[in-house]
Amino acid sequence: DAKTTQPTSMDCAEGRAANLPCNHSTISGNEYVYWYRQIHSQGPQYIIHGLKNNETNEMASLIITEDRKSSTLILPHATLRDTAVYYCIVSGYGNKLVFGAGTILRVKS
Amino acid sequence: GAGVSQSPRYKVAKRGQDVALRCDPISGHVSLFWYQQALGQGPEFLTYFQNEAQLDKSGLPSDRFFAERPEGSVSTLKIQRTQQEDSAVYLCASSLGGLAVHNEQFFGPGTRLTVL
Repeated sequence: DAKTTQPTSMDCAEGRAANLPCNHSTISGNEYVYWYRQIHSQGPQYIIHGLKNNETNEMASLIITEDRKSSTLILPHATLRDTAVYYCIVSGYGNKLVFGAGTILRVKS
Repeated sequence: GAGVSQSPRYKVAKRGQDVALRCDPISGHVSLFWYQQALGQGPEFLTYFQNEAQLDKSGLPSDRFFAERPEGSVSTLKIQRTQQEDSAVYLCASSLGGLAVHNEQFFGPGTRLTVL
């Protein structure tokens, strides 16, 4: 599975959009981009995934560049409850998730 | 239940003891995964079941680790002769489809194992 690179941490003001970047320059054609988050002392929570088109659900939007080498997760109106570690994962056949260190997102009032 | 459940939530073992960790996946979910999460790190894959078949055990760190899912629903992760380096949170996840289906994994709350 392709490796991903994310910033170690980010801050965001409450009510503003949080934009979390991810680089996955070695992604192959059949690999999907997944985003999960983990709030302290809980199991990871699925957010969104996509192959090459932009995706949106009730939690977030996923923007994937045309060459698929990077993506951005957008939380449109961050709240304090969105403070968590966010993991960008590239996964192919078999769906095994290979977690990196993730980005610590701190939402501040 | 509505989600993935794991038991016990906390387990303290003396070095050398055997432990068994249980996972109840969401009913009807074909795929089941086990992950290990050390303190301050992201989860690491241990093993994968599609129904009762263990199709991938490449992440199991040693032959002291054994997992089973005999009837394709509940799964047990067993660690024999526990060592201090086994101390971690053990996470179970399930998903609806099999290998070829890309869908979300639902995670349980984890079992925190502490080996003294």
